[in-house]
Amino acid sequence: NAGVTQTPKFRVLKTGQSMTLLCAQDMNHEYMYWYRQDPGMGLRLIHYSVGEGTTAKGEVPDGYNVSRLKKQNFLLGLESAAPSQTSVYFCATNGLAGGQWGEQFFGPGTRLTVL
Amino acid sequence: DAKTTQPTSMDCAEGRAANLPCNHSTISGNEYVYWYRQIHSQGPQYIIHGLKNNETNEMASLIITEDRKSSTLILPHATLRDTAVYYCIVRERSNDYKLSFGAGTTVTVRA
Repeated sequence: NAGVTQTPKFRVLKTGQSMTLLCAQDMNHEYMYWYRQDPGMGLRLIHYSVGEGTTAKGEVPDGYNVSRLKKQNFLLGLESAAPSQTSVYFCATNGLAGGQWGEQFFGPGTRLTVL
Repeated sequence: DAKTTQPTSMDCAEGRAANLPCNHSTISGNEYVYWYRQIHSQGPQYIIHGLKNNETNEMASLIITEDRKSSTLILPHATLRDTAVYYCIVRERSNDYKLSFGAGTTVTVRA
């Protein structure tokens, strides 16, 4: 099992460009999350989903959109990238089986630079 | 969710126990204490969580004080691979299971 994977691993954008980050999981988890982490700081929640077809705003949602059309995929979109969105983006999932409701599983991250 | 306070950094000798403190004085009765760690450039990794009782798993032990206002994560025999940022998170069990990360404690294990 691959667990949680993120595509791409690295990306450089120019201001105003758009892109989509893909998070895929093979654990059949209902809950999925997108975080960003700026240098020297903890993770901040951008958007999350509690199931296929649902999305909700997190702590820092502005400038991002998300979609969860399939249970296994959670997409994060930047419509018009800004330098302030330079960050490392992490995807995570949360399962509910067997008492694992407390444990989030994280992907390896996507390093995004906006020039 | 209750706020947590952790030291910014700490050092530990390889092979010794590492004791990581966390203060959560405003914790409420239905909030759990979670610990995650993040090794350089990787995604965070779940370590352990607890409500009232002390907990132990293959990675660590969690000691929660009787008044639940503070806790300590214990890495029994620290190795160089335990060098990481450790996050103490207090969260109510809820329908969305969100986590709120602070700055954490940077733990450096030295040979």
